[in-house]
Amino acid sequence: DAGVIQSPRHEVTEMGQEVTLRCKPISGHNSLFWYRQTMMRGLELLIYFNNNVPIDDSGMPEDRFSAKMPNASFSTLKIQPSEPRDSAVYFCASSPGLREQETQYFGPGTRLLVL
Amino acid sequence: EDQVTQSPEALRLQEGESSSLNCSYTVSGLRGLFWYRQDPGKGPEFLFTLYSAGEEKEKERLKATLTKKESFLHITAPKPEDSATYLCAVRSPGGLIFGQGTTLQVKP
Repeated sequence: DAGVIQSPRHEVTEMGQEVTLRCKPISGHNSLFWYRQTMMRGLELLIYFNNNVPIDDSGMPEDRFSAKMPNASFSTLKIQPSEPRDSAVYFCASSPGLREQETQYFGPGTRLLVL
Repeated sequence: EDQVTQSPEALRLQEGESSSLNCSYTVSGLRGLFWYRQDPGKGPEFLFTLYSAGEEKEKERLKATLTKKESFLHITAPKPEDSATYLCAVRSPGGLIFGQGTTLQVKP
């Protein structure tokens, strides 16, 4: 089992540039989540999808952030334009569904540094 | 507003010295409490899910318990490989709300 796959693992960019983070969920999982982790705020939910449909994006910090899930095996999180305060580790997680007892499994994360 | 608070922030133990980590939560209705382990540079790794007060789960040297207001992660006779950050989370509709974590260091 490959687990959740994220790419790139590390990204360094300059302020104002567009950044695209990618995620492949576990095969057969219908729900996908994007989280952000910083020292100050810990792990925070940004957005989640169920059956490729965005369900709740209330955690997305600004309009500069957008996420898509064009099919069951791929999702992107885009930041345009990027700012230094976006520097964080971004995690993707997937679960079989949204039922309470279903566990979310996390990917290795993308460490983003915006200069 | 749902909230999760973990204590202590950091814990240093000698190998074999048992202890407990605390997770206090405030939720409108508990839909599950989750424990994860996170190693440096890696994503959170699932450990346990608890649903109702009085429930307990065990895995090797770890035992998680749940009351109506808090959860404990008991570590019995820890080893250096148990060193990690332990995260507690409650399920909100859909996603998880995490505490800030407890960073555990076990010295040989």
